[in-house]
Amino acid sequence: AQKITQTQPGMFVQEKEAVTLDCTYDTSDQSYGLFWYKQPSSGEMIFLIYQGSYDEQNATEGRYSLNFQKARKSANLVISASQLGDSAMYFCAMRGPNAGKSTFGDGTTLTVKP
Amino acid sequence: DTEVTQTPKHLVMGMTNKKSLKCEQHMGHRAMYWYKQKAKKPPELMFVYSYEKLSINESVPSRFSPECPNSSLLNLHLHALQPEDSALYLCASSQGKGGSNQPQHFGDGTRLSIL
Repeated sequence: AQKITQTQPGMFVQEKEAVTLDCTYDTSDQSYGLFWYKQPSSGEMIFLIYQGSYDEQNATEGRYSLNFQKARKSANLVISASQLGDSAMYFCAMRGPNAGKSTFGDGTTLTVKP
Repeated sequence: DTEVTQTPKHLVMGMTNKKSLKCEQHMGHRAMYWYKQKAKKPPELMFVYSYEKLSINESVPSRFSPECPNSSLLNLHLHALQPEDSALYLCASSQGKGGSNQPQHFGDGTRLSIL
């Protein structure tokens, strides 16, 4: 079974500062993928970044980077230079090698203050 | 703009009504999904279609009936819903069979209210 834990229900950050959203996971699979999604209040889930379990480099996509520490089973999302539009709920998710299922964490609500 | 299109965006229906939610994608994805999401909670998987065949049904009540007419379309037929079925319904798609390296692409969702 897979499990994702996001321990920060809510986070605040000042505009233009960096913020780290925590995610730890548990799985017995050797091959897996870790994903972060952003969900604004409008409802759409937006894919942000992906890290494969065998990737040695941390993933980066623009202002988003994923701090992957395999031994600690953590996959934290780092957002640099926060913008007001980054205010949203953020979900960490995992997929195993078998087709279909994703396991989602409970999410972190990020609020960017001007 | 999202590449997965869901209609309608909002739906209000009575418990005796029959309605359908529609989802369309033109990315060539062969895995499509229905999720139910309550406010401030993670999405809960309902159904997965892989190559137009139902591959996962997460013990969803029979008042929800999925249909995949072709590789681009996914429907969710609703009948005799209960007030607790009020939620945001999200459609998603991913490449291939949806392996561990394939992100899901979501639509904007349909906000469903049952009176």
